[in-house]
Amino acid sequence: DTGVSQDPRHKITKRGQNVTFRCDPISEHNRLYWYRQTLGQGPEFLTYFQNEAQLEKSRLLSDRFSAERPKGSFSTLEIQRTEQGDSAMYLCASSSTGTVHEQYFGPGTRLTVT
Amino acid sequence: AQTVTQSQPEMSVQEAETVTLSCTYDTSESNYYLFWYKQPPSRQMILVIRQEAYKQQNATENRFSVNFQKAAKSFSLKISDSQLGDTAMYFCAFEVSGNTGKLIFGQGTTLQVKP
Repeated sequence: DTGVSQDPRHKITKRGQNVTFRCDPISEHNRLYWYRQTLGQGPEFLTYFQNEAQLEKSRLLSDRFSAERPKGSFSTLEIQRTEQGDSAMYLCASSSTGTVHEQYFGPGTRLTVT
Repeated sequence: AQTVTQSQPEMSVQEAETVTLSCTYDTSESNYYLFWYKQPPSRQMILVIRQEAYKQQNATENRFSVNFQKAAKSFSLKISDSQLGDTAMYFCAFEVSGNTGKLIFGQGTTLQVKP
């Protein structure tokens, strides 16, 4: 078990560009969560999946954000037309339905929009 | 709406001493879960301890224990025999009901353990 992995770890992009992040959960986990964490703050929930179904999206997730989890394995989070306010750490976490009260977090992807 | 508040942005403690981090929350639900997560510098977040609201007994995990006061909606974390490796940001979190696993986090408390 290698834990939750995220790629890339760091991304610097120019305003207006599109970016995509990937999360690989722990293999037997069917739930996957995305959170956003700005500097010095706690993570904020963005969205979550159970298998391939996206079950909830936060109002923080504007139309420029889209997340997918094809085949219920890895997930991608895409931000279109990035803005400076999108600069943050994007965290992924996974859990299993049987142990939903224990989420395992990845190392995060730090996005800097210049 | 549920909220989680950590009123101590920064704290420090001498190695081997005990420190308590505070957390209050607001909810109208009767059954829920509360957590403390640790985020070391440049490292990923890990679960420290979990408390189920319907359990009156306070959770303990080795040097970590909680003081759960349901009526007061208070959930503090006590770290005994502090170690240098405990230096991290600590987040209190509340799990939204409905078995979604969705977490609401507080603002965090940065703890520095001094040698």
